[in-house]
Amino acid sequence: EAGVTQFPSHSVIEKGQTVTLRCDPISGHDNLYWYRRVMGKEIKFLLHFVKESKQDESGMPNNRFLAERTGGTYSTLKVQPAELEDSGVYFCASRRTGNQNTEAFFGQGTRLTVV
Amino acid sequence: RKEVEQDPGPFNVPEGATVAFNCTYSNSASQSFFWYRQDCRKEPKLLMSVYSSGNEDGRFTAQLNRASQYISLLIRDSKLSDSATYLCVVPSGAGGYNKLIFGAGTRLAVHP
Repeated sequence: EAGVTQFPSHSVIEKGQTVTLRCDPISGHDNLYWYRRVMGKEIKFLLHFVKESKQDESGMPNNRFLAERTGGTYSTLKVQPAELEDSGVYFCASRRTGNQNTEAFFGQGTRLTVV
Repeated sequence: RKEVEQDPGPFNVPEGATVAFNCTYSNSASQSFFWYRQDCRKEPKLLMSVYSSGNEDGRFTAQLNRASQYISLLIRDSKLSDSATYLCVVPSGAGGYNKLIFGAGTRLAVHP
């Protein structure tokens, strides 16, 4: 079974440009999460989808970030326009519907560098 | 106060040593807890889940103290391959699993 896959693995863009990150969750996992780790800080929650609906987007930093999950399958996270402080590693995780003990599986992350 | 706090380390220990990591959490309503392991430039991977007083898996033991809102991870007979960052993770939000709150992680370096 394929794990959570993210694309691209690395992205270097200039300040002001747009970048779109993609996450393909494990098939059948209704829950999809985006997280971000900036240099020297802990991994922080961005948002949570249940199927195609945004369940919680309280962690989104500002309106330059837009996440979508059309059809409840893969998800995209767009940053427009990118700023220097957006640099970091963006992780996607998916989880099947279960209970509090159900494991969340993480993708390998997209390392975003804004210069 | 942060929702999840960990000793950042690093912990530098010789092979065969026993090492313990601590984690405190602020949300008294949390029911389940996780230890994830993250290798350098890799994604976090689940190591253990804890939802009763404790859990043991081989050389790894996780313990939970709800009264003190404290979780620990004990690694016995450390191996070189145990070198990684260990993340204390606590579910939070409506329904108890809306999101996972991560601690900053504790770095472990096991040397020969």
